[in-house]
Amino acid sequence: SAVISQKPSRDICQRGTSLTIQCQVDSQVTMMFWYRQQPGQSLTLIATANQGSEATYESGFVIDKFPISRPNLTFSTLTVSNMSPEDSSIYLCTVSQETQYFGPGTRLLVL
Amino acid sequence: KQEVTQIPAALSVPEGENLVLNCSFTDSAIYNLQWFRQDPGKGLTSLLLIQSSQREQTSGRLNASLDKSSGRSTLYIAASQPGDSATYLCAVKREGAQKLVFGQGTRLTINP
Repeated sequence: SAVISQKPSRDICQRGTSLTIQCQVDSQVTMMFWYRQQPGQSLTLIATANQGSEATYESGFVIDKFPISRPNLTFSTLTVSNMSPEDSSIYLCTVSQETQYFGPGTRLLVL
Repeated sequence: KQEVTQIPAALSVPEGENLVLNCSFTDSAIYNLQWFRQDPGKGLTSLLLIQSSQREQTSGRLNASLDKSSGRSTLYIAASQPGDSATYLCAVKREGAQKLVFGQGTRLTINP
């Protein structure tokens, strides 16, 4: 199993600012994933973060808007840049060890 | 493109009833299917994982079945309790991929 923590757990931000979300895993993993869950919606994969290489983004998501860092095998950050109210979502970090393990999420509200 | 559908979107039943949640997917070339539980404002907790070669998995009062050829899975909850109230999500992983494709979820309420 894997235990995942995220910081912050929630935040309220102003339009045009940026927020960096941290994800820490209690074991070394090759791939970490970032998902978004917009209000009333299901989860959508933003990108896959690989240690030592550029993140791989899904269709509709770009690096300028969601830059990702992966400095080591237990940590990753996702930045939501130049935020707008449409970015208000829960952002979830997850790892796959056959079973998928999710962090508790970061609830973001953009005013 | 894989699409995952969950029916019903919401379900409310009295405590003690047995119930079934449904999940269907359009592309049968899956690696596995997973059922999750999400409590309000929280992350996801994995309930059951079914590999593509398996027909069902059981954990306590939960039983998940998989019919890959017809693109369907069911989550059976026996003797429901108020603590089972949550949103239940199913997700499929395609062969050779790491991405999970999620359904919209079923919001379940168990009334005491």
